Amino acid sequence: DQQVKQNSPSLSVQEGRISILNCDYTNSMFDYFLWYKKYPAEGPTFLISISSIKDKNEDGRFTVFLNKSAKHLSLHIVPSQPGDSAVYFCAASYQGGSEKLVFGKGTKLTVNP
Amino acid sequence: GAVVSQHPSWVICKSGTSVKIECRSLDFQATTMFWYRQFPKQSLMLMATSNEGSKATYEQGVEKDKFLINHASLTLSTLTVTSAHPEDSSFYICSAPRDISNQPQHFGDGTRLSIL
Repeated sequence: DQQVKQNSPSLSVQEGRISILNCDYTNSMFDYFLWYKKYPAEGPTFLISISSIKDKNEDGRFTVFLNKSAKHLSLHIVPSQPGDSAVYFCAASYQGGSEKLVFGKGTKLTVNP
Repeated sequence: GAVVSQHPSWVICKSGTSVKIECRSLDFQATTMFWYRQFPKQSLMLMATSNEGSKATYEQGVEKDKFLINHASLTLSTLTVTSAHPEDSSFYICSAPRDISNQPQHFGDGTRLSIL
């Protein structure tokens, strides 16, 4: 039973344009959501997070949107840069992130120059 | 800078060897640490929760006698893969949450384990 789903295994965008990565979850008990960026053979690097009491969180070029009624969140990267090319994992947690993380399968983003 | 340190980053050893991986929180105390495993081109799957001062909690399907976890102090957890076999070859990653709500977990750089 996959509780966190990233249905797009890959995404390709042009440099300067917007990248939108999507994530759906099934467990309404999740209250904290995170996006991580990962390169092969490296640990995930934290990008941005959002608490379930909010619907938007912004940090520089990265914005995460949360739609609790739809159990959907998205990560927007604007403008996209070639250095953003990596695998992006959506993760969800309980109790404000102090519990284990449940990860999606990841979306490989390629930003073309 | 890194807040979670993992060592070693790469291990190659013969079948039957036991391998110890260390995970340290660098500037905070972690009463809990998590151990994940990632197979190529797949997601990170939680193996176990390491608890300081008590036994680890293992996820369903993870052999606790194969993957020994010891949370020796508030800044160190170790994962020992005992009598490793080629099917144990994988990428192992630890994370440590701060005891503060709504704070992200930070991950170590991972350990690539290759069993010949």
